[in-house]
Parts: sequence; structure tokens; C-alpha cells
Amino acid sequence: QSALTQPASVSGSPGQSITISCTGTSSDVGRNSLVAWYQQLPGKVPKLMIYEVSKRPSGVSNRFSGSKSGNTASLTISGLQPEDEGDYYCSSYAGPYTYLIFGGGTKLTVL
Amino acid sequence: EVQLLESGGGLVQPGGSLRLSCAASGFTFSRNWMHWVRQGPGKGLVWVARVNSDGISTNYADSVKGRFTISRDNAKNTLSLQMNSLRVDDTAVYYCVRGSDLGTYYFDYWGQGTLVTVSS
Repeated sequence: QSALTQPASVSGSPGQSITISCTGTSSDVGRNSLVAWYQQLPGKVPKLMIYEVSKRPSGVSNRFSGSKSGNTASLTISGLQPEDEGDYYCSSYAGPYTYLIFGGGTKLTVL
Repeated sequence: EVQLLESGGGLVQPGGSLRLSCAASGFTFSRNWMHWVRQGPGKGLVWVARVNSDGISTNYADSVKGRFTISRDNAKNTLSLQMNSLRVDDTAVYYCVRGSDLGTYYFDYWGQGTLVTVSS
């Protein structure tokens, strides 16, 4: 049950766009559309930002978007804002035995 | 308002046991799958276990399989995690998490967490 692979950190300036990748295998990310992204701001609990690869829950800004190609999912944040700074985690359903795995997390710094 | 309130964390020696509880309110508890997710100090999220709506079906991460047991009491709106044979690497904040109405593999409400420290 290895974690999905995310870059440890990404950074960008206010107004710019950044993309965070999440690489798995054909047993998890590549096998279905059950990929989600969570935002964890400093000292807060995680918040669901994207589900089913690219869908946004009600109330989540349209600056956040998701996509997937093969075994890699991506989260793009456009129009970066200082309040976006925090940790971002991907997750994927991984079958009936492994069930669910998270990525290792990516720290976003808004310069 | 959905609320999830964990309790039961604390300091325990390696090999010891601990039982976590989560009191749920603000939603029809019996309708949602429930999960435990943990986060080690300064580390990432790790899914631990899940139980379906009626408590019959469960899944566990390999790292806790055979040592942890998830259960629920729908009459009392309570989720539990019995943790046995605890190891130092089980040290983490444990979150009680609701499976989302958008899909059971997504988590829409999180408790504030309860800290479990395994140390001699």
C-alpha cells in the first residue's frame, strides 16, 4: 500500500496558476475516476476540493480544477491567492482490498 | 450542523490498547459510511478503516489489519475504533470522517481529531 506520489512542494506568485500532480498505478488512479483532492490549511482539518477527478463540491471556487491522464491525476489552481497556501492531498480508490490511499501531500507556498 | 467529536486518545505504551470514539450529530448517522483517517506528527494523511452504513462491511489499511477494529452503533450515533497491539508508528492524530453524500470514497466532514501517542 504505497502512497500516491506527489511533489513535496510547489510555489507560485499571486495571480499565477500552478499544477500539482498525483501519480499512482493501474491499480488505483488508472483504474477508475474515484480520485479526490483535499486542501489542508495550517492548523485546520482537510477540506474536499475535487471529487470524481474533476467535479467541485458546492461552494468550492472554480479556480480549482482537476484532471486525469492514465495513472496521473492533476490539480490546477488558477489565480493563486495567499489564502490558498497550505497542504494538498490526492486520494484514490484502490480496489476492494487496498480500498483507499492518499498521496504524500504537497505543500503550496504563495510567494 | 454536522459535528463529529472524537474522544479516547492519550498516551499508551507499545503493545497496549486504546479505544477511540466519535459522537456524531447534525445528520442521519445511519445513512453514511464512516471512516478513520490518521495523520502522524508533521506527516501526511493515511486512511485507516471504514465501515458501511449498517456496520456489516469493513475495510482496513494493511498497516492496521488484524490489530484495529472499526464499529458503529447507529442507535447511539457513535463510531468506534478499537486499537490493539499498538506500535510507536501508530502515533498520530486520528480523525473521525464522514463518507460524503457525493460518494462513499470522499470525505466531506472531519472531526477535530484525537491524539494517540504510543511511547514507552
